[in-house]
Amino acid sequence: DIQMTQSPSTLSASVGDRVTITCRASQTISGRLAWYQQKPGRAPNLLIYKASTLQSGVPSRFSGSVSGTEFTLTISSLQPDDFATYYCQQYNSYSWTFGQGTKVEIK
Amino acid sequence: QVQLAQSGGEVKKPGSSVKVSCEVSGGSFNNYAFNWVRQAPGEGLEWMGGIIPVFGTTKYAQSFQGRVTITADESTNTAYMELSSLKPEDTAVFFCARSLVDRRTGYYDMADSWGQGTLVTVSS
Repeated sequence: DIQMTQSPSTLSASVGDRVTITCRASQTISGRLAWYQQKPGRAPNLLIYKASTLQSGVPSRFSGSVSGTEFTLTISSLQPDDFATYYCQQYNSYSWTFGQGTKVEIK
Repeated sequence: QVQLAQSGGEVKKPGSSVKVSCEVSGGSFNNYAFNWVRQAPGEGLEWMGGIIPVFGTTKYAQSFQGRVTITADESTNTAYMELSSLKPEDTAVFFCARSLVDRRTGYYDMADSWGQGTLVTVSS
């Protein structure tokens, strides 16, 4: 199975900060990576797919990039609604695998 | 707007089985795959498996193989996940999630819609 290593596990930040979360795949996944946001008691919500394509309706302060097998989610200016847990997910095999998650907390 | 409505929470005894449903409305059922994802309390997301209803084909995660069965009923636009031989550590929220299928590889794409989740508690 393809392993996804996500970091950091927790991130403390303030409103207005630029935030970066990283996910590394154990092998090439041809850019087939998604990012989700999850709030407590809610289902995950798709933010980005194909590493850098913004899902319809998602604010433009979210962006994704890739360099080899390393993927990055960036929030350009953190807003109060963005405090949540974020997961990466690869979908380049017959089974999905998720990163361990990054909880973005208020500093 | 597609909606995935899951069945309500369940309390089960160890060793028993649970079957969770996911009814799809407002969107196509047959052009997608329907996946199931487990989330234990305070933990991350774990893919269990999925089904493409129009073909009836399924794929399961190795860690659930032999214990999970995913089915779909095209007449009611409903997908099901049955987990057997329940253990207390199976206590979790189970989500259904819709994805397209890559026509070239047969891989499930990313999940663009999710159900609200179903809490299954396993306790004696």
